[in-house]
Amino acid sequence: GAVVSQHPSWVICKSGTSVKIECRSLDFQATTMFWYRQFPKQSLMLMATSNEGSKATYEQGVEKDKFLINHASLTLSTLTVTSAHPEDSSFYICSARVQGDNSPLHFGNGTRLTVT
Amino acid sequence: DAKTTQPTSMDCAEGRAANLPCNHSTISGNEYVYWYRQIHSQGPQYIIHGLKNNETNEMASLIITEDRKSSTLILPHATLRDTAVYYCIVREGFQKLVFGTGTRLLVSP
Repeated sequence: GAVVSQHPSWVICKSGTSVKIECRSLDFQATTMFWYRQFPKQSLMLMATSNEGSKATYEQGVEKDKFLINHASLTLSTLTVTSAHPEDSSFYICSARVQGDNSPLHFGNGTRLTVT
Repeated sequence: DAKTTQPTSMDCAEGRAANLPCNHSTISGNEYVYWYRQIHSQGPQYIIHGLKNNETNEMASLIITEDRKSSTLILPHATLRDTAVYYCIVREGFQKLVFGTGTRLLVSP
């Protein structure tokens, strides 16, 4: 159980275009999902916390107008990278938590974004 | 900032136990210790977590010292597929999960 599915697994787009990444909790409901970004040979960095039915909370230094997050249902959160540039090329990973204060987060398999 | 310190890398022979240490000297009473691992180009995989008692599941054992300032993740019989970066994280309740740099474990034949 506790499967998080992320789509697409990889995407290549041209500079200036927008890309949407989906994160689904397949067998549980997630009121909160988290979006991370990982550059090569670095650790995961939290970008934002996505709350169902309300606005996302962004970490310091993350542009909310560039990284649009929508969490419209208890099983789906989306991250849209708007007007992508080559420096946005990275590995984007979502996670979700099964209900319960100290239950662990479960992660999707990530989306590798390459902006040309 | 991450609240844990881990060795940068460790080596282990296949079939032997891998013992990965983690220091979390500033852990608070309500914070749990979580372990995740990340195999290259995949999302992190949950391994185990605990508060103060030792825990064991099908993947690993977690040993937490009595003062809770450090812990050890034990993979009892490491295989080549256990080669990954292992992250030790402390978190309370609904706090966000903050990743440190982790330990790169290399399991060799």
